[in-house]
Amino acid sequence: SAVISQKPSRDICQRGTSLTIQCQVDSQVTMMFWYRQQPGQSLTLIATANQGSEATYESGFVIDKFPISRPNLTFSTLTVSNMSPEDSSIYLCSVDAGGNQPQHFGDGTRLSIL
Amino acid sequence: GENVEQHPSTLSVQEGDSAVIKCTYSDSASNYFPWYKQELGKRPQLIIDIRSNVGEKKDQRIAVTLNKTAKHFSLHITETQPEDSAVYFCAATPQGGKLIFGQGTELSVKP
Repeated sequence: SAVISQKPSRDICQRGTSLTIQCQVDSQVTMMFWYRQQPGQSLTLIATANQGSEATYESGFVIDKFPISRPNLTFSTLTVSNMSPEDSSIYLCSVDAGGNQPQHFGDGTRLSIL
Repeated sequence: GENVEQHPSTLSVQEGDSAVIKCTYSDSASNYFPWYKQELGKRPQLIIDIRSNVGEKKDQRIAVTLNKTAKHFSLHITETQPEDSAVYFCAATPQGGKLIFGQGTELSVKP
């Protein structure tokens, strides 16, 4: 399966600031996704990162708050903008290489906002 | 959109017993159902999956069953071991490859 590197692994940020999380895959993949996992909760899909076009956001998530880039088939970024304590979560990227291969996750970014 | 319900939220079994976790989904277009295991502080890891053209799949001590008519699928773990203790998530894929997750089941296997 693809090797997924996510950076940073964790960060502590001040409210009102923004943080960009990077997801790098060691091979070209068809689909890349971003999920949020709030403390003690399940995973919630934020958006599908589309290569060369705007991301597709799920209900409750907007581009102004979570801008996403995907410049090529191996890399994507998620920015958490104007952070508040409610944004404290683990953010995970996942990849789907296509061809009936299962989806795999990066190690996640544990974000705490003070 | 797709909605996935997972039960129970917590499950405690004795080592060697079996554990069963059940999920239901709402979107009949969903055709792929993976199960992930997440240990504390770690990424979710795929343990088994099933596609809608199959009714059952087994991998050693782990099996998954799917009932498309009733829109439910289940994870079965036999001969449980303490290292099976973790949070388990079911998911369904309605379209476009995205995963919609259940709420999770915290499994505790007591030695």
